[in-house]
Amino acid sequence: DVKVTQSSRYLVKRTGEKVFLECVQDMDHENMFWYRQDPGLGLRLIYFSYDVKMKEKGDIPEGYSVSREKKERFSLILESASTNQTSMYLCASRRHHFYSNQPQHFGDGTRLSIL
Amino acid sequence: AQKITQTQPGMFVQEKEAVTLDCTYDTSDQSYGLFWYKQPSSGEMIFLIYQGSYDEQNATEGRYSLNFQKARKSANLVISASQLGDSAMYFCAMREGSNAGGTSYGKLTFGQGTILTVHP
Repeated sequence: DVKVTQSSRYLVKRTGEKVFLECVQDMDHENMFWYRQDPGLGLRLIYFSYDVKMKEKGDIPEGYSVSREKKERFSLILESASTNQTSMYLCASRRHHFYSNQPQHFGDGTRLSIL
Repeated sequence: AQKITQTQPGMFVQEKEAVTLDCTYDTSDQSYGLFWYKQPSSGEMIFLIYQGSYDEQNATEGRYSLNFQKARKSANLVISASQLGDSAMYFCAMREGSNAGGTSYGKLTFGQGTILTVHP
């Protein structure tokens, strides 16, 4: 089974802090994704990476950046956290964009609160 | 414009009965795919079923089936013989065609979700 591990289930940070959310997958997947989930809005794509050191903006990239130095690890960075970034963050991976009928596999999520 | 619409914020069903969760989508692509995920209260997203736009048969996976009506742009999830463990949030998601380089192929757009509650 694919395992996608997010470093924290719950995180509390202060406004203005630089926040790192880490995600690791163990199945040698090419593609990785970061989403945020808010009530009534579903999941919205922040950034994704189709290969090591590659990244593309999703639908809501403002205020975020990402890093993918190794294939198995995809980090989401909140450069200067703000209260409107309080949300549930979900990481996902998928084998390769050529296999687009394959599902994305998700981590358990990180509930981030910015005070 | 909303690409994926789930119009039912909440649904209730009696244990052992069937339930249909609605999903409509909007795309101009000929090649696309539709996914359903389940999210229990614990938070993890569980893949349930996939339907490709060129698939002639409706997808089925155990108690889950997808009622795919291409002309109406709907992809409703049918859960037969509901169980208490089916109580969760359910998301419909669409994968559209690729960009010029192909690397965006497979990006998912999610609906707002439907909370299903199964009563004993």
